[in-house]
Amino acid sequence: GNSVTQMEGPVTLSEEAFLTINCTYTATGYPSLFWYVQYPGEGLQLLLKATKADDKGSNKGFEATYRKETTSFHLEKGSVQVSDSAVYFCADSGGSQGNLIFGKGTKLSVKP
Amino acid sequence: EAQVTQNPRYLITVTGKKLTVTCSQNMNHEYMSWYRQDPGLGLRQIYYSMNVEVTDKGDVPEGYKVSRKEKRNFPLILESPSPNQTSLYFCASRLRGQTYEQYFGPGTRLTVT
Repeated sequence: GNSVTQMEGPVTLSEEAFLTINCTYTATGYPSLFWYVQYPGEGLQLLLKATKADDKGSNKGFEATYRKETTSFHLEKGSVQVSDSAVYFCADSGGSQGNLIFGKGTKLSVKP
Repeated sequence: EAQVTQNPRYLITVTGKKLTVTCSQNMNHEYMSWYRQDPGLGLRQIYYSMNVEVTDKGDVPEGYKVSRKEKRNFPLILESPSPNQTSLYFCASRLRGQTYEQYFGPGTRLTVT
């Protein structure tokens, strides 16, 4: 079946460092792609999304570009803050009837 | 405020004692879903519903039941809980269509002893 693979964590960075979290998917066709973020003790919330090839999703300084040729949707941020510490999930809508398929999550810790 | 609510937020129970976790959304969403989150396994879908009276199994449906009698509610039922169902559970909803974002509830932490 389809799957989403993201880099394993935990990832520990210093404040203002550059962040990349890799994500690749196997779904065929043109699924929508998402990054969700889960802050400690909370549910998941949408961080950004892209619905077609070459689209760039962006929010709160985070960006990800839908790369059909490499089936990737890597998350980047130029300068992370302590408040970005959370678990990040990549997902695509490649499941049956558009169900989301999630990666296993990457825990990010940002130190001051 | 648009939201997905779950109750209870925390529950400790014993093996075999039937329980229900409620989920409600106020956004008139057709689609609703239940997930469990376990360390190292990420989010796994239990059941989902495309609309009222329409439910389908997800990846890990064994030991769970759901019903969708009203559009806003999607309860998760554990008829005979076992310790391997100890987990963090999330309900989610969205509009029908794969481009729409899913809205998640705050989670229910269940412990079965």
